[in-house]
Amino acid sequence: DGGITQSPKYLFRKEGQNVTLSCEQNLNHDAMYWYRQDPGQGLRLIYYSQIVNDFQKGDIAEGYSVSREKKESFPLTVTSAQKNPTAFYLCASSMAAAKNIQYFGAGTRLSVL
Amino acid sequence: AQSVTQLDSQVPVFEEAPVELRCNYSSSVSVYLFWYVQYPNQGLQLLLKYLSGSTLVKGINGFEAEFNKSQTSFHLRKPSVHISDTAEYFCAVSDGQGGSEKLVFGKGTKLTVNP
Repeated sequence: DGGITQSPKYLFRKEGQNVTLSCEQNLNHDAMYWYRQDPGQGLRLIYYSQIVNDFQKGDIAEGYSVSREKKESFPLTVTSAQKNPTAFYLCASSMAAAKNIQYFGAGTRLSVL
Repeated sequence: AQSVTQLDSQVPVFEEAPVELRCNYSSSVSVYLFWYVQYPNQGLQLLLKYLSGSTLVKGINGFEAEFNKSQTSFHLRKPSVHISDTAEYFCAVSDGQGGSEKLVFGKGTKLTVNP
């Protein structure tokens, strides 16, 4: 089945720790995105990538980092600089010809211990 | 910059009743509009989209939405809801020019369908 796989589903972070959220897609999509969702806040864009080895900051990039070494993979690292990391993180992808039609993974819920 | 306002944060309705979830966006020359649904602890699923053409757009699960340019609205409707429609619904907009990759989301409306 084609789709977007996010792992793990639940993740816990200790103080001062960096954690990495995985996002893999087999849709052959060029563009990939990371969003953060907080209750009552909708989705906010963290980072996005339109092609391999290139990515741009979204609206709330501080405390996060990404890489795009392969077309199908776009991991997100939540660094210790992100002081309020507890949230639901969603990865999405889209075709180059229709960037605004985005398809989403099932999400990773990150909590702080 | 685009913005989206979902006027109701929560909408409770009884099963088989009609429902309308309201969405207004900031004005732009051209826009693309979307409604997504999110079931608890899951990702977002595209319900329907308006890119161009007919202003009445039909989506999955019996939902439809109407694009109203003069009122900058894109309200979502269903004539008869089911318990299984209980979920959070998000309206989103992107600029219609240049194939913008950025979607701007509203804060969501939680629809609760009661028996």
